[in-house]
Amino acid sequence: EADIYQTPRYLVIGTGKKITLECSQTMGHDKMYWYQQDPGMELHLIHYSYGVNSTEKGDLSSESTVSRIRTEHFPLTLESARPSHTSQYLCASSGRAGDRGYEQYFGPGTRLTVT
Amino acid sequence: DQQVKQNSPSLSVQEGRISILNCDYTNSMFDYFLWYKKYPAEGPTFLISISSIKDKNEDGRFTVFLNKSAKHLSLHIVPSQPGDSAVYFCAASVLGSSNTGKLIFGQGTTLQVKP
Repeated sequence: EADIYQTPRYLVIGTGKKITLECSQTMGHDKMYWYQQDPGMELHLIHYSYGVNSTEKGDLSSESTVSRIRTEHFPLTLESARPSHTSQYLCASSGRAGDRGYEQYFGPGTRLTVT
Repeated sequence: DQQVKQNSPSLSVQEGRISILNCDYTNSMFDYFLWYKKYPAEGPTFLISISSIKDKNEDGRFTVFLNKSAKHLSLHIVPSQPGDSAVYFCAASVLGSSNTGKLIFGQGTTLQVKP
């Protein structure tokens, strides 16, 4: 059973506020990811990490930042939220490639609305 | 340039009939293809995958077919059930990306199965 958690599930916040989206996994996976997804669109990778103290920007440019101080924890921070940041944010993790390929396990997502 | 494309935004089928979801790709270096299912307000969940060295993989009601010469894969659901109504994402990984485990996602196809 894959266990990956995200909080909050829903967040409505005003412009200019600082927010942190939490993501934790209990599977000991070394790789973790953050995606941004809007309705009818593909999942866009905005950050990833392949181990503690390693973070990389993804394919979609984002004003957010991430940190990976512990294997299980991969928070995403927006220093100053804007309406253009309104989206669903999905966190995922993966371990070694198996017979399913590079399967990623997803959290339930955070629906962010910036007013 | 989108490397994984799902050209049908939506599909509607009758309960008990076959659902066929399609996916096209451009990168011949993809080594695994995965299908994910996503309900609203939830994260995607893994459904089925196929290695690029195979042309078919079956798991219960779900079968994925891969046509490498056409750079095309399809997901067949037989028989379709109302609970299958969701957004289906096709994803691919690039050979040699074992360090990052990155996946590239299509835009998704919304399947509606009518009772």
